[in-house]
Amino acid sequence: GENVEQHPSTLSVQEGDSAVIKCTYSDSASNYFPWYKQELGKRPQLIIDIRSNVGEKKDQRIAVTLNKTAKHFSLHITETQPEDSAVYFCAAPGGSQGNLIFGKGTKLSVKP
Amino acid sequence: NAGVMQNPRHLVRRRGQEARLRCSPMKGHSHVYWYRQLPEEGLKFMVYLQKENIIDESGMPKERFSAEFPKEGPSILRIQQVVRGDSAAYFCASSPGLGPLIGELFFGEGSRLTVL
Repeated sequence: GENVEQHPSTLSVQEGDSAVIKCTYSDSASNYFPWYKQELGKRPQLIIDIRSNVGEKKDQRIAVTLNKTAKHFSLHITETQPEDSAVYFCAAPGGSQGNLIFGKGTKLSVKP
Repeated sequence: NAGVMQNPRHLVRRRGQEARLRCSPMKGHSHVYWYRQLPEEGLKFMVYLQKENIIDESGMPKERFSAEFPKEGPSILRIQQVVRGDSAAYFCASSPGLGPLIGELFFGEGSRLTVL
């Protein structure tokens, strides 16, 4: 089945700096890679996703890049703000292709 | 359109009791997923269901845990004879299940189980 590794587990940046979170996956057939944000005590929510027919997707300050050859994808947050502080999870389709397997998460702290 | 509804939000059980967690998917969604989240850890997949069918239960413990999604009513995650290690947040998510491609999962607010 799919195995998703996520790094780093914690990340602290100054407000205005960029943050990068990386994930690798094992199943070369995987074709959908979302990123979820979970604020403390809240539910995870999708912030951006990418399908394997594109290499990069951007939405304002958030971008995701995909390297299918190397089987890794990354989340980039530019001009970070304190409200970006949260846990971020990457994911990839599971064995049945109908569910998602999540990474262990990255706790991002943005210091004002 | 109401989101994914989970109840109870908080549940306290003593060791050996049963816990039942309920999840009503978003309107129009036919796929339900259950995930478990331990403190300071990620989302661990448990089970994926469609109406009246378990599609993938590869993440479910072999004993004491069961899940169903009946034709009518919410999906239920049932934990029998709970132990302290079952204490966690249990998140339900749903998706419309349109076509063969997976897309966004919509999560509920979670049910936080505490086993004394």
